[in-house]
Amino acid sequence: EAGVAQSPRYKIIEKRQSVAFWCNPISGHATLYWYQQILGQGPKLLIQFQNNGVVDDSQLPKDRFSAERLKGVDSTLKIQPAKLEDSAVYLCASSWTLTANTEAFFGQGTRLTVV
Amino acid sequence: AQTVTQSQPEMSVQEAETVTLSCTYDTSESDYYLFWYKQPPSRQMILVIRQEAYKQQNATENRFSVNFQKAAKSFSLKISDSQLGDAAMYFCAYRSADTGNQFYFGTGTSLTVIP
Repeated sequence: EAGVAQSPRYKIIEKRQSVAFWCNPISGHATLYWYQQILGQGPKLLIQFQNNGVVDDSQLPKDRFSAERLKGVDSTLKIQPAKLEDSAVYLCASSWTLTANTEAFFGQGTRLTVV
Repeated sequence: AQTVTQSQPEMSVQEAETVTLSCTYDTSESDYYLFWYKQPPSRQMILVIRQEAYKQQNATENRFSVNFQKAAKSFSLKISDSQLGDAAMYFCAYRSADTGNQFYFGTGTSLTVIP
């Protein structure tokens, strides 16, 4: 089966600019996650969707970050305006359900550099 | 929030030898799941092994096994007969058994396999 697809792989922007990342989860996966992985740290959850509804966005900096999952399939994560500290790898993951023992499948991530 | 600690930023092992990666976690919950994920340079996180907290038997997957000590809140990963392809970042992760809860990741251990 096809894996989680993310684009772009790399992005360089200047601070205060906006950027958007796209994720296409594995077909049939109801749960979708966006993680932020800063260099030298483990991934940190930004937002979690179940179908097209938000399950958890408590760690999403809502003044500059937004995410949507229209029709419960693809998702986009946007940053506007970007700050230097947003430089990180943004990982998208999906799983069949919210059940805790369900494996999450990850994409290859987007490496964002803010200069 | 739960915390996951990986105290070994870097480890190395000779090819064909055995290495153990350490992980400890902090939780007040009794039912949860623990995971080890591998992240190669491609950045795609891959599930290595998972453990259910209510199961006393340690999980094994081919050359990978865990030593789960629930009372000590310890979850180490043993890689036997190390191969060059095992070189990667390894992340320990915790997930509550309550549906919908997020993964909490450690900071990772970079494993080098020496030919």
